[in-house]
Amino acid sequence: AQSVAQPEDQVNVAEGNPLTVKCTYSVSGNPYLFWYVQYPNRGLQFLLKYITGDNLVKGSYGFEAEFNKSQTSFHLKKPSALVSDSALYFCAVRDILSSGNTGKLIFGQGTTLQVKP
Amino acid sequence: DGGITQSPKYLFRKEGQNVTLSCEQNLNHDAMYWYRQDPGQGLRLIYYSQIVNDFQKGDIAEGYSVSREKKESFPLTVTSAQKNPTAFYLCASYPRGRDQPQHFGDGTRLSIL
Repeated sequence: AQSVAQPEDQVNVAEGNPLTVKCTYSVSGNPYLFWYVQYPNRGLQFLLKYITGDNLVKGSYGFEAEFNKSQTSFHLKKPSALVSDSALYFCAVRDILSSGNTGKLIFGQGTTLQVKP
Repeated sequence: DGGITQSPKYLFRKEGQNVTLSCEQNLNHDAMYWYRQDPGQGLRLIYYSQIVNDFQKGDIAEGYSVSREKKESFPLTVTSAQKNPTAFYLCASYPRGRDQPQHFGDGTRLSIL
């Protein structure tokens, strides 16, 4: 079965330090991977995606993510955290083999990022 | 600006009452989705629709109903059969093209009176 795991409920980091939010996935075909951010009482905002090509993808607000096929991971990173990065982050996967062209996504449970001044 | 509009922002339901959540998009997207978000559980798919007049159940469709009479609109009805409706409901849309992300509205928070 397809699944996404975000092993940390919360990540705490000091402002200016690098941050990593972890994501692993399990799909039967080739994955399309996405990261979203959610601020309180708002919808999800798209940050970045991996479809094919370079394993390191860059996205909005200085975020990047590294695709690792052997470890089935897609960790979100940022070299220098800002207090304004504090939010809820979701990893999602689209399994092309099972979802076809429906666009369906499978979401992780979310990781709360807390950046302290 | 193109986007997805969900209304109302907050909604209260009485026991035995059906309530309808609105979702409208002007992105010209074919597919639309409804998710339920509960703390610590991520997003769970309720229903989705790929074209007008067609929709499919997601993982937690019981107690919910939808319609898709227009491309732009995908309303969700939370029926009295849904015994635990308190949650944050998110609507999303998706353009053709398998490498595209879903776009989300700002949600409706439903509570029980």
